Amino acid sequence: DQQVKQNSPSLSVQEGRISILNCDYTNSMFDYFLWYKKYPAEGPTFLISISSIKDKNEDGRFTVFLNKSAKHLSLHIVPSQPGDSAVYFCAAQQGGSEKLVFGKGTKLTVNP
Amino acid sequence: DSGVTQTPKHLITATGQRVTLRCSPRSGDLSVYWYQQSLDQGLQFLIQYYNGEERAKGNILERFSAQQFPDLHSELNLSSLELGDSALYFCASSAWDSSTDTQYFGPGTRLTVL
Repeated sequence: DQQVKQNSPSLSVQEGRISILNCDYTNSMFDYFLWYKKYPAEGPTFLISISSIKDKNEDGRFTVFLNKSAKHLSLHIVPSQPGDSAVYFCAAQQGGSEKLVFGKGTKLTVNP
Repeated sequence: DSGVTQTPKHLITATGQRVTLRCSPRSGDLSVYWYQQSLDQGLQFLIQYYNGEERAKGNILERFSAQQFPDLHSELNLSSLELGDSALYFCASSAWDSSTDTQYFGPGTRLTVL
């Protein structure tokens, strides 16, 4: 039973446009959400996070939105750059647990 | 570079064998986590150690075991290997054992069981 789902295995956007990566979760006990970026032959790198008490967190070109009622979060990248091409993993944590529950990832390709 | 190191980068072995994967956390980090990424799967949490003690367990098979040593490096032991154990194994570390600590991942060890 997959508790964190990324239903789009891949996404392709043009440089300069917005990239929107989506993530759904089923466990209502999750209260902390993270996005990791992964380049080939490297480990995942932390990108941005959001607590369930917020609905938006912004860091430069990256913004994460959380809709608790829909159990949905999204990562917006504006403007997208070719260097953003990577696999993006959504992850969730339940209060008091350090365990990260990951989605399967979305491969983002930003075309010049 | 996250500061987390894993050795070896690649490992090829046969079914029934036993292997040991090694992880050195970032300097000063007390928590170590192990994750498995199989083909087309997200990362699956296996186990966490904090300052030498097991803190949390996930979907870790009985054939797998781990430990964290006094110098804080960790080893993941996989025994009686099966074809399905072929995967990328990632180690991550964080400063403490708080749920909001950022976990920093190593580059992974790719295990191939033939």
